[in-house]
Amino acid sequence: DTAVSQTPKYLVTQMGNDKSIKCEQNLGHDTMYWYKQDSKKFLKIMFSYNNKELIINETVPNRFSPKSPDKAHLNLHINSLELGDSAVYFCASSQDWRGINTEAFFGQGTRLTVV
Amino acid sequence: KQEVTQIPAALSVPEGENLVLNCSFTDSAIYNLQWFRQDPGKGLTSLLLIQSSQREQTSGRLNASLDKSSGRSTLYIAASQPGDSATYLCAVRSQGNLIFGKGTKLSVKP
Repeated sequence: DTAVSQTPKYLVTQMGNDKSIKCEQNLGHDTMYWYKQDSKKFLKIMFSYNNKELIINETVPNRFSPKSPDKAHLNLHINSLELGDSAVYFCASSQDWRGINTEAFFGQGTRLTVV
Repeated sequence: KQEVTQIPAALSVPEGENLVLNCSFTDSAIYNLQWFRQDPGKGLTSLLLIQSSQREQTSGRLNASLDKSSGRSTLYIAASQPGDSATYLCAVRSQGNLIFGKGTKLSVKP
């Protein structure tokens, strides 16, 4: 029973297309995140949502639009895909976003390849 | 701005050795620090979480320490095994954000 699940696991698409990645967590957490892992394996925060409200937006191009229909879901939509968007995208969740006991749990990642 | 550094970037040891991975951070105002493991092509698995008020946490052969005032954490792995081979990531929770280091790639040779 997967705690944080992302779909699809792999996504290959052409430049200029629009695509979405879905994320769902069944942990009852209030906070969800999107991270990007680049070719050098560095993980960088993109967005953070708490109770469906955006709390962190780390200077991500506005071609990237997160959408949180409810606390359990945080989807990532990407418009006009570029070669540089190729990366692994990770979804994560935690009970809240500031507590000392706050532990983050990650999905398996979506490997996006733009050709 | 919080920055997290992990040293070394890569480490290769023979099976059975005890080893230490290092993590440092620039801003001591953190809620907690979390160590993760990432296997190739896989997601992140949480290993240990240390609250800002704690000095160490243990799980099996893993022991993580935290010295918040000096901005340092170590992950100690006892009696390493080939199955421990993976990339180990340190992340600090700071101002609502979980900020990662670049990881240490560990290879344990049989």
